[in-house]
Amino acid sequence: TQLLEQSPQFLSIQEGENLTVYCNSSSVFSSLQWYRQEPGEGPVLLVTVVTGGEVKKLKRLTFQFGDARKDSSLHITAAQPGDTGLYLCAGASNTGKLIFGQGTTLQVKP
Amino acid sequence: KAGVTQTPRYLIKTRGQQVTLSCSPISGHRSVSWYQQTPGQGLQFLFEYFSETQRNKGNFPGRFSGRQFSNSRSEMNVSTLELGDSALYLCASSLRTGRFTNTEAFFGQGTRLTVV
Repeated sequence: TQLLEQSPQFLSIQEGENLTVYCNSSSVFSSLQWYRQEPGEGPVLLVTVVTGGEVKKLKRLTFQFGDARKDSSLHITAAQPGDTGLYLCAGASNTGKLIFGQGTTLQVKP
Repeated sequence: KAGVTQTPRYLIKTRGQQVTLSCSPISGHRSVSWYQQTPGQGLQFLFEYFSETQRNKGNFPGRFSGRQFSNSRSEMNVSTLELGDSALYLCASSLRTGRFTNTEAFFGQGTRLTVV
């Protein structure tokens, strides 16, 4: 069974701080996605990484896919209150379905 | 371009009843997947439909079923509701055609089901 483990589960920081969220697995994934979900809404796709070692930047967010395609990280620089939400990583499994990590709840205090 | 639409947004049902949830995908998307989200278990995959056929299935009991219509709209049904079925049910559509291609999912706002 392919599993994705996210850490930390909860993160509460002050505005302006940096943070990193990790998504790890013992399995290889053909691609990995990051989503952000706000209360009362569905998850919204942020990025897809496909190639081992790939780095993608989305404004203050930097996403990295591990060389072996088993892990990924999301780094946020100078976090803002608008970054508050649930961050989810998801991998395309060997059966074609998306497997989600448990999520990281981020709270950025002004 | 309209997003994924789920109805209803909120639902309260009694144990033992059944419920049907509806999902209209983004125009042109033929793949529709359903997920259950709870605080304890996170996002759990229920099933995926493509061209009116179930293509993937998660580990849920037979009380959970779904179907897809020729216009790609999908419904999921839960029979004999249990308290533990209380959750946010999310529908996602994608451009996936082949089983292992393009898994980027676009989610609806979800249906919040409360079983009392």
